Amino acid sequence: SAVISQKPSRDICQRGTSLTIQCQVDSQVTMMFWYRQQPGQSLTLIATANQGSEATYESGFVIDKFPISRPNLTFSTLTVSNLSPEDSSIYLCSSNSGGAYEQFFGPGTRLTVL
Amino acid sequence: GQNIDQPTEMTATEGAIVQINCTYQTSGFNGLFWYQQHAGEAPTFLSYNVLDGLEEKGRFSSFLSRSKGYSYLLLKELQMKDSASYLCAVSYSGGYQKVTFGTGTKLQVIP
Repeated sequence: SAVISQKPSRDICQRGTSLTIQCQVDSQVTMMFWYRQQPGQSLTLIATANQGSEATYESGFVIDKFPISRPNLTFSTLTVSNLSPEDSSIYLCSSNSGGAYEQFFGPGTRLTVL
Repeated sequence: GQNIDQPTEMTATEGAIVQINCTYQTSGFNGLFWYQQHAGEAPTFLSYNVLDGLEEKGRFSSFLSRSKGYSYLLLKELQMKDSASYLCAVSYSGGYQKVTFGTGTKLQVIP
């Protein structure tokens, strides 16, 4: 199994600023995923991050708003840019490990935008 | 596109059995996940079904019918700690790594 950590665990940000979320996996993984979970709703995939290539974004999500870095096989960052109150959500990163099908999730980052 | 339906809420009694259903319409279906999510926490993996049939894991069992686009999660001997949201999710597009989640079923276990 993979152990995934995220930083920060929560933050309160002002409108118009940006927040960068870090995700660290305890083993090398090919693919990492970023999800958003808005209050009372299920998880929505934002993008898939492969090491050494551009992230692949889902419909409704764009790189300018959610730039992603994947500098190595254990680490990724998601930036939420030009924040608005509608961006208030929990952001989760996930991955699988060793080619297994199970997706493991980080503890999430709870973002509140004022 | 992907479409997943599951009940929004369910209530069951401690010690009883509850079945949470999930129907899906997915192109390129590969398999179906069930996750448990307690309030304020990240989802945790419960099961992954690829083939038709029932898979049992302790108090939890998961069933899949690919031809009917149907799955259920069966929880036996319910405990208060089982109160959580249960997320049905499908992997598709020929690989197991791309996953779409349903809206989740919030289960409340009462004494």
